[in-house]
Amino acid sequence: DSGVTQTPKHLITATGQRVTLRCSPRSGDLSVYWYQQSLDQGLQFLIQYYNGEERAKGNILERFSAQQFPDLHSELNLSSLELGDSALYFCASSVRLSGANVLTFGAGSRLTVL
Amino acid sequence: DQQVKQNSPSLSVQEGRISILNCDYTNSMFDYFLWYKKYPAEGPTFLISISSIKDKNEDGRFTVFLNKSAKHLSLHIVPSQPGDSAVYFCAASEQTGANNLFFGTGTRLTVIP
Repeated sequence: DSGVTQTPKHLITATGQRVTLRCSPRSGDLSVYWYQQSLDQGLQFLIQYYNGEERAKGNILERFSAQQFPDLHSELNLSSLELGDSALYFCASSVRLSGANVLTFGAGSRLTVL
Repeated sequence: DQQVKQNSPSLSVQEGRISILNCDYTNSMFDYFLWYKKYPAEGPTFLISISSIKDKNEDGRFTVFLNKSAKHLSLHIVPSQPGDSAVYFCAASEQTGANNLFFGTGTRLTVIP
């Protein structure tokens, strides 16, 4: 158990719909990172929050948004869903190990858009 | 633009032999490189890292080698075990405040008993 909790594990929805994915980082971790893994692709960085503030943005579509709440959990909102949004969505929190910023990932939320 | 590349989508190795997974990168500003392992239905788990100022880091059966001039790193697993069968991702971080990781597309390792 990584200590990073993601819900739901699986989600099936239709094109045009809106979904919310939720992440709770490890206890005490202030950062939350969101990544997307499409079929046969690497993990693509979407966005990072630190203590409630947006810290960095990656290849996140305008249809997607995120926030981090005072209790440090985060939500990723995906709207106007398209077939190509079907993917695994991971969140992670981070820790410094020997100088490296090591991300600890949750088990992911698998989104299927039909 | 893929800054971290893993050109071998899959690798099969006999149990007890060495597994060598390769990774190339394009960004000379990367300061740390990491390897992650991923089993089905789980998130990636951290294996080992190396600083850009080193050329080798070892942790048990896992050794990572870095060749900065070639912008290439490799993960060696010796001896390989069936439980090592998983997808391995190479990742790198930049010398910036964001510290997000850039990932390769992964190599699926199968260790044959």
